[in-house]
Amino acid sequence: NAGVTQTPKFQVLKTGQSMTLQCAQDMNHNSMYWYRQDPGMGLRLIYYSASEGTTDKGEVPNGYNVSRLNKREFSLRLESAAPSQTSVYFCATRRDTQYFGPGTRLTVL
Amino acid sequence: DAKTTQPNSMESNEEEPVHLPCNHSTISGTDYIHWYRQLPSQGPEYVIHGLTSNVNNRMASLAIAEDRKSSTLILHRATLRDAAVYYCILRLIQGAQKLVFGQGTRLTINP
Repeated sequence: NAGVTQTPKFQVLKTGQSMTLQCAQDMNHNSMYWYRQDPGMGLRLIYYSASEGTTDKGEVPNGYNVSRLNKREFSLRLESAAPSQTSVYFCATRRDTQYFGPGTRLTVL
Repeated sequence: DAKTTQPNSMESNEEEPVHLPCNHSTISGTDYIHWYRQLPSQGPEYVIHGLTSNVNNRMASLAIAEDRKSSTLILHRATLRDAAVYYCILRLIQGAQKLVFGQGTRLTINP
């Protein structure tokens, strides 16, 4: 089992460009999450999805949209990237505890 | 969400025990105490959790104070692979179970 996979691993964008970060899980978990981690900081929750078809805002949702495409996949979209969105993005799933993906390192110039 | 307080950094030697403290004086009766760790350049991984009683698993032990206002993660015999940032998080059992991460404790292990 792959667990939680994220693509891409690295991405560089220019200000104003858009992109979608992909997350997929093969653990059959209902809940999925998107976090961001800025240098030297803990993770902050962007959006989460308690089950297929539902999404809710977390602590820092501004500038992001999400789609829970099916039970396996939860994508995060940046419509117009800004330098403040330079960060490492982690996707996670949950049963009793949370399982994290390897992260996507995003730089916005 | 109830807040946790951890030291910014700690240092220990290989093959010695490590005690990582966490204060959570505003914990409520329904908050579980969770510990995650984040190895360099990786996503966080679950370590252990508990409610009231001390807990042991293959990775660590969790000692919870009787009043639940503090807890200690114990690594019995640290290895170089245990160097990581350790996060103490309070989590409600109900609902979406969002995790609120603080800055954690950066643990350095000396060979």
